Amino acid sequence: QKEVEQDPGPLSVPEGAIVSLNCTYSNSAFQYFMWYRQYSRKGPELLMYTYSSGNKEDGRFTAQVDKSSKYISLFIRDSQPSDSATYLCAIKSGANNLFFGTGTRLTVIP
Amino acid sequence: ETGVTQSPTHLIKTRGQQVTLRCSSQSGHNTVSWYQQALGQGPQFIFQYYREEENGRGNFPPRFSGLQFPNYSSELNVNALELDDSALYLCASSSAGSYGYTFGSGTRLPVV
Repeated sequence: QKEVEQDPGPLSVPEGAIVSLNCTYSNSAFQYFMWYRQYSRKGPELLMYTYSSGNKEDGRFTAQVDKSSKYISLFIRDSQPSDSATYLCAIKSGANNLFFGTGTRLTVIP
Repeated sequence: ETGVTQSPTHLIKTRGQQVTLRCSSQSGHNTVSWYQQALGQGPQFIFQYYREEENGRGNFPPRFSGLQFPNYSSELNVNALELDDSALYLCASSSAGSYGYTFGSGTRLPVV
């Protein structure tokens, strides 16, 4: 079983839609939860991070963590064509490495 | 200078060759991690360097090795390249104890 599972998509939505991206993880020892955005031919860029269950909001983005279900989500409101990218969930234990999901490729259609 | 810079951005190698990739960490960051990202996959942790010592390693064979220099820059060396080593190699820097990793744009390495 992989440490982090993520639906690879692809996912296409019309401009203005609400996007929901999800990951599940296997190890309850994981403490830190992150979402990265990766544009084509670029490195991942940190979007949001959290270390507790509940919601964290930053502009149009909301990260949600449910530790009891080992489930994390990223919601994008009022999606824009510039949001078209691959979104990677990443989880960190107390150790030094990040475990990444496969990434979900999102296309927002104008 | 801000941000993580990697060189080269792209190179092609043949099976059996050796390659060295380079990374300059973001100003103020003393920890460097290397990741391998195969096409259509998420990044996989190779290893991390802190204070010029390896500080954690993923499930990669010994032919993957690295160095960190006193200025916190780093190298990734891969010997005896295999076709499956074809990937985007990413360097990420951070401050010790933080979880905010800054990634470079990567080195694209096809092995033919």
